[in-house]
Amino acid sequence: EPEVTQTPSHQVTQMGQEVILRCVPISNHLYFYWYRQILGQKVEFLVSFYNNEISEKSEIFDDQFSVERPDGSNFTLKIRSTKLEDSAMYFCASSPPTDTDTQYFGPGTRLTVL
Amino acid sequence: AQKVTQAQTEISVVEKEDVTLDCVYETRDTTYYLFWYKQPPSGELVFLIRRNSFDEQNEISGRYSWNFQKSTSSFNFTITASQVVDSAVYFCALMDYGQNFVFGPGTRLSVLP
Repeated sequence: EPEVTQTPSHQVTQMGQEVILRCVPISNHLYFYWYRQILGQKVEFLVSFYNNEISEKSEIFDDQFSVERPDGSNFTLKIRSTKLEDSAMYFCASSPPTDTDTQYFGPGTRLTVL
Repeated sequence: AQKVTQAQTEISVVEKEDVTLDCVYETRDTTYYLFWYKQPPSGELVFLIRRNSFDEQNEISGRYSWNFQKSTSSFNFTITASQVVDSAVYFCALMDYGQNFVFGPGTRLSVLP
């Protein structure tokens, strides 16, 4: 069964460094999402993406964040200058065009900012 | 502003019991979407359901059922005949017409054998 994949599973970085989190959505899906979850806390929506542009974004998704679909398969989240409070689990999700009510999640990338 | 409340922080039940997880939301919009997600101990997120505000019909999927009541702004989730594998944190979420997406704090369900 096709699934959403995310790499790396764990990323450790120094404060101020740039990181790129990668997601490969299911191949025929057209709607893409990023969420994050700080350890032990609730899930937070970051951004949704459709037709090569951002559809919605939350207040968290400020100028230090950007998303891109650089080719037909990857969907990336870039954090330009990481802060300690960016340490979290980042989840990617995608939805097919025929069932936008359903989201398929990747396993997540744990980002640790030191 | 929109808000999602899950008043039950933790629930423990014994296997085969039915359990209902409460979700109460606040929004000024008349068009919105409600979601439930499951996060098992392994940490991944699993989408369970999305319901739009114009569809108040209750949904049943196997042992899972959802009761949407606009009059009380609630979207409760019931697991019938619970199993140990149902042990997880369950999040309710709301997306309003302005595309603001808010999660509740989650309810940790423990199903004991």
